[in-house]
Amino acid sequence: EDQVTQSPEALRLQEGESSSLNCSYTVSGLRGLFWYRQDPGKGPEFLFTLYSAGEEKEKERLKATLTKKESFLHITAPKPEDSATYLCAVASGTYKYIFGTGTRLKVLA
Amino acid sequence: SAVISQKPSRDICQRGTSLTIQCQVDSQVTMMFWYRQQPGQSLTLIATANQGSEATYESGFVIDKFPISRPNLTFSTLTVSNMSPEDSSIYLCSVGGLAEGTDTQYFGPGTRLTVL
Repeated sequence: EDQVTQSPEALRLQEGESSSLNCSYTVSGLRGLFWYRQDPGKGPEFLFTLYSAGEEKEKERLKATLTKKESFLHITAPKPEDSATYLCAVASGTYKYIFGTGTRLKVLA
Repeated sequence: SAVISQKPSRDICQRGTSLTIQCQVDSQVTMMFWYRQQPGQSLTLIATANQGSEATYESGFVIDKFPISRPNLTFSTLTVSNMSPEDSSIYLCSVGGLAEGTDTQYFGPGTRLTVL
């Protein structure tokens, strides 16, 4: 069965304290792995798409990496405005997304 | 990406009534989807809204409960029928086909529904 597991469920960081979020997946045929940021009461905001093991993408303080079994979202020197829930999803078929339950990140000033 | 809007942004409804949620995109898109996000949960796909034909529903979701229309390539509606408190969720539309060669989806702002 296709599955996505995110860890940790919640993470509290001090401003400037770098860390990583994990997304482990099992899928029969990976068509893509996607990272989104979701603020309370809002829709998910697209961050990255990764397609093959070894691929990396960066945006400001965020860097996403992909292996054959998991993806990491690295946050370097986070700021309070980075506080949000980060969602990971995999596509097992055309536009067939399976979402993880997310990591709630809180960055303290 | 595209600008995606949803109406209403939130609503409080009585059980047994129905609510229609609108999703408008500022450009033509091939793929539109409807998701539900229950409190504290992740996103679950309800259906794919097909332009000019009946929507394709995921397991556990039926047309009588969640009728969907898609009259053109920029607009879709989702109706939540005969509502119960268990239907209280955030309902999200998303679009795909904007980034050629990828399955990337972009989401609207969501509609927060509370059923009393």
